[in-house]
Amino acid sequence: AQTVTQSQPEMSVQEAETVTLSCTYDTSENNYYLFWYKQPPSRQMILVIRQEAYKQQNATENRFSVNFQKAAKSFSLKISDSQLGDTAMYFCALGSWGKLQFGAGTQVVVTP
Amino acid sequence: ETGVTQTPRHLVMGMTNKKSLKCEQHLGHNAMYWYKQSAKKPLELMFVYSLEERVENNSVPSRFSPECPNSSHLFLHLHTLQPEDSALYLCASSPEGQGFYEQYFGPGTRLTVT
Repeated sequence: AQTVTQSQPEMSVQEAETVTLSCTYDTSENNYYLFWYKQPPSRQMILVIRQEAYKQQNATENRFSVNFQKAAKSFSLKISDSQLGDTAMYFCALGSWGKLQFGAGTQVVVTP
Repeated sequence: ETGVTQTPRHLVMGMTNKKSLKCEQHLGHNAMYWYKQSAKKPLELMFVYSLEERVENNSVPSRFSPECPNSSHLFLHLHTLQPEDSALYLCASSPEGQGFYEQYFGPGTRLTVT
């Protein structure tokens, strides 16, 4: 069975600051992908960033970057230069063979 | 706009009603998914369709009946629901149902069962 754990229910960050969200996972698969999705108040689930497990280089997408530690089964997301529009629920997801396993989510609130 | 649309966006139904949720993807994908998102719970995968064949049914009660007439359309037929079925129902699609691809989500249908 695959599990994804997000241990931070909520985090608050000031505009322009940096926040890091943690995610740990467990899987017996050798091939898998990891994702971070964002769900703003509109409830639209939006892909933020993806990481292939076979790649050692950490993925980066503009202000979003990950720290992927495969041996530790850790996949954290760093949001730099936080903006008000980053306020959302962030979900870590483990993907393998067409299915995604989601964590419980971390609510990020960006304050002025 | 992710290329996945869902209708209706909001639905209120009684426990004896029959209704359907519709999902359409404009991405040329071959796999489609239904998820249930309840408050304070992780997303729950309900059904997976790959090339119009159901490949996953995660012990979903029979009062939820999916239908996938082609690779672009997915329905969720609802009948005799319970109040605990009130939730956000999300549809998603991906290029293939057996590979390693991200999923693209629709905006969801907020269902309230009275």
